[in-house]
Amino acid sequence: KQEVTQIPAALSVPEGENLVLNCSFTDSAIYNLQWFRQDPGKGLTSLLLIQSSQREQTSGRLNASLDKSSGRSTLYIAASQPGDSATYLCAANQFYFGTGTSLTVIP
Amino acid sequence: DTAVSQTPKYLVTQMGNDKSIKCEQNLGHDTMYWYKQDSKKFLKIMFSYNNKELIINETVPNRFSPKSPDKAHLNLHINSLELGDSAVYFCASSQDPQGLVSDNEQFFGPGTRLTVL
Repeated sequence: KQEVTQIPAALSVPEGENLVLNCSFTDSAIYNLQWFRQDPGKGLTSLLLIQSSQREQTSGRLNASLDKSSGRSTLYIAASQPGDSATYLCAANQFYFGTGTSLTVIP
Repeated sequence: DTAVSQTPKYLVTQMGNDKSIKCEQNLGHDTMYWYKQDSKKFLKIMFSYNNKELIINETVPNRFSPKSPDKAHLNLHINSLELGDSAVYFCASSQDPQGLVSDNEQFFGPGTRLTVL
């Protein structure tokens, strides 16, 4: 069973800054890791899915990496915008979720 | 053309009542899930069904009973509702429960906010 941790719990940055969100998992026998965003009162929107055979995935300003040996995944957001403000969640092996990082991008 | 839909969006009820939440996906996925998100926003898996068969049942009280009439539907029935059942319940789907396929992206419904008074 995976234990998933996301630090920090909250992050506030000025618009335009590049930032990294962290996700740690305990079991290196991971077959996939998925990043989501959740807006207040809404469901989860899938951002990126990384399979265990991959090291990273990119979509627009987002880049997610996976390092199985160290038990870490990072989500890199380039040139942050106020619209990026949301809670970001990672999930290891389909359904083991972290507690999320609440991101605020200040205009 | 909603991928994963849930009804109702809001559910307010008294303690002791029985209620159901419905979920439907039109993605052709074989696997569906129910999650509970508590007041601290932690998302916990409750059940997973693959091709209408229960494959995951986390430590959930047996007052909660999932029912899958077909691959596209997974309903959640809750008996004798308690105050602690108040939460947001999310339905989700993916192709495979164990990542045996390469594209196993998981898609979520909009959630059902259950309030037990």
